[in-house]
Amino acid sequence: GAGVSQSPSNKVTEKGKDVELRCDPISGHTALYWYRQSLGQGLEFLIYFQGNSAPDKSGLPSDRFSAERTGGSVSTLTIQRTQQEDSAVYLCASSLTGQGNIQYFGAGTRLSVL
Amino acid sequence: AQSVSQHNHHVILSEAASLELGCNYSYGGTVNLFWYVQYPGQHLQLLLKYFSGDPLVKGIKGFEAEFIKSKFSFNLRKPSVQWSDTAEYFCAVNRAGNNRKLIWGLGTSLAVNP
Repeated sequence: GAGVSQSPSNKVTEKGKDVELRCDPISGHTALYWYRQSLGQGLEFLIYFQGNSAPDKSGLPSDRFSAERTGGSVSTLTIQRTQQEDSAVYLCASSLTGQGNIQYFGAGTRLSVL
Repeated sequence: AQSVSQHNHHVILSEAASLELGCNYSYGGTVNLFWYVQYPGQHLQLLLKYFSGDPLVKGIKGFEAEFIKSKFSFNLRKPSVQWSDTAEYFCAVNRAGNNRKLIWGLGTSLAVNP
């Protein structure tokens, strides 16, 4: 079966524009996570979905960031009014729920804000 | 708050040298521990994990790690590295429960010279 798929792989945008990043998790995985990988910052948790609900949004850096998940599958991370500091690689991971389940990662979306 | 510390940011070794990468975490409760690897141009892959049981865990490609609870450590080892081990290595921790968001170290860049 397919792994976690993210699109686009690269996105270049101008400061102030909105962007949407997409994640297709592994089929049947109920848990979905977004992380951000920045130079010098390492990997940071952004948001966690269980099914379509997001019980933990604590990692979203500002109210310009939002995410949704529909049908217990595809998730979209939206960044409004992008800033240069939003430039990073955005990673999505999915897993089954329960003890011992492993997160599988997509290749990420590299976002560059000019 | 949970945190993960990786002691070595950049490591350069010659082939056949032994490797040990340090990882310490701060959290007093029950944790799951992971090492992920990111080869150049590829996505994050699980190298090995510890959930419970034998504190010495073996992963792919000859890697192993030892969980020492009293030291809050989960160091990664390999007796003899190869050029193909050149990659970025990340230590990560999560807690038991439905929300298994990973808390990450900053990563260690390993370069193995042939």
